[in-house]
Amino acid sequence: DQQVKQNSPSLSVQEGRISILNCDYTNSMFDYFLWYKKYPAEGPTFLISISSIKDKNEDGRFTVFLNKSAKHLSLHIVPSQPGDSAVYFCAASGKGANSKLTFGKGITLSVRP
Amino acid sequence: NAGVTQTPKFQVLKTGQSMTLQCAQDMNHEYMSWYRQDPGMGLRLIHYSVGAGITDQGEVPNGYNVSRSTTEDFPLRLLSAAPSQTSVYFCASSFAGTNRNNYGYTFGSGTRLTVV
Repeated sequence: DQQVKQNSPSLSVQEGRISILNCDYTNSMFDYFLWYKKYPAEGPTFLISISSIKDKNEDGRFTVFLNKSAKHLSLHIVPSQPGDSAVYFCAASGKGANSKLTFGKGITLSVRP
Repeated sequence: NAGVTQTPKFQVLKTGQSMTLQCAQDMNHEYMSWYRQDPGMGLRLIHYSVGAGITDQGEVPNGYNVSRSTTEDFPLRLLSAAPSQTSVYFCASSFAGTNRNNYGYTFGSGTRLTVV
């Protein structure tokens, strides 16, 4: 049973516009949510995270929104740039110092010049 | 600043062969883990370690062994390779505790393994 779901496999946006990447989860015990970015032939790199006690976290062009009642989070990239084209993974961590990280299947973002 | 180093980058094995994927980190991270990435499956946790001498199973541990004799190294052993283990393997490390959520994992660049 997949606990972290990224239902859209791909997204294409115009350069300069907003990219909205969605993620849903089923486990109400998740305590932290993280987004990773992955280029081909490279390992994922950490992008941004949000605690379950917050509903928004912002870092430059990247903002993550969390809706706990809907068990939904989204990553907004504004403005989108061609260099943002990559696979984006949503991940969730449970409570506890050493809880495991559960990843979604990823979404491929293409930013058109 | 090497970060997480994985070797080899590519490997082809015959069914039944064994091998060890190496992972080393120089950031003094307590937490280390191994993931595999398969098309349409995302990243799935194989094994993880919260410190030297401590390891535990993840979501897909069958066919793999790990050990953690030092803080820096976390090798993944394939005991008898099977075609189903064809995948891209990623090693990751992080600080333990809440720092892990604030700073995330540092991943290696991956090992692409093909079992024929």
